Amino acid sequence: DAGVIQSPRHEVTEMGQEVTLRCKPISGHDYLFWYRQTMMRGLELLIYFNNNVPIDDSGMPEDRFSAKMPNASFSTLKIQPSEPRDSAVYFCASSSPGANTGELFFGEGSRLTVL
Amino acid sequence: QKEVEQNSGPLSVPEGAIASLNCTYSDRVSQSFFWYRQYSGKSPELIMSIYSNGDKEDGRFTAQLNKASQYVSLLIRDSQPSDSATYLCAVDGQAGTALIFGKGTTLSVSS
Repeated sequence: DAGVIQSPRHEVTEMGQEVTLRCKPISGHDYLFWYRQTMMRGLELLIYFNNNVPIDDSGMPEDRFSAKMPNASFSTLKIQPSEPRDSAVYFCASSSPGANTGELFFGEGSRLTVL
Repeated sequence: QKEVEQNSGPLSVPEGAIASLNCTYSDRVSQSFFWYRQYSGKSPELIMSIYSNGDKEDGRFTAQLNKASQYVSLLIRDSQPSDSATYLCAVDGQAGTALIFGKGTTLSVSS
């Protein structure tokens, strides 16, 4: 069974450009989470969805960040315009229905570098 | 605001020793507690969960929870070089809320 799939794995872009990160959760999982990881701040929750509906987006840094989940098998995290301080590894994770939401399955992450 | 605190380390132990990793959390209503392991350049993976006070053992790993002290720990017995990784403590505030992670403790096991 395929795990959580993220793309791209690596993205290098220039300040001001739009960045779109993509995630396909494990089939049948009804929670989807976006986290960001940096050395300074650790693993931070950005937003999470339940059954495609955003539940808590209080971790989204500012209006430059937006996330969507148009269906159960796809989510995007968009940064527009990007800034150097957005450089980080962005992880998508999903969890299964009925399970405690702490048992997360992470994708391999998207490493973003904004020059 | 919920906080999860860990000593960043590095914690260095010789092969075969016991490694002890500690975590404190701020939200008294937290119900569920997790330890994730993250190898360098990889994604976190769940290794232990604990929900009630006391100890929970799984192979060489033992998780300990003390809700009164708001303290969670992970013991790794007979540490192996393959245990060298960053260990993330995570806490779930209430049912249906997302995990809050600590910044992690880096463990180095020398052979």
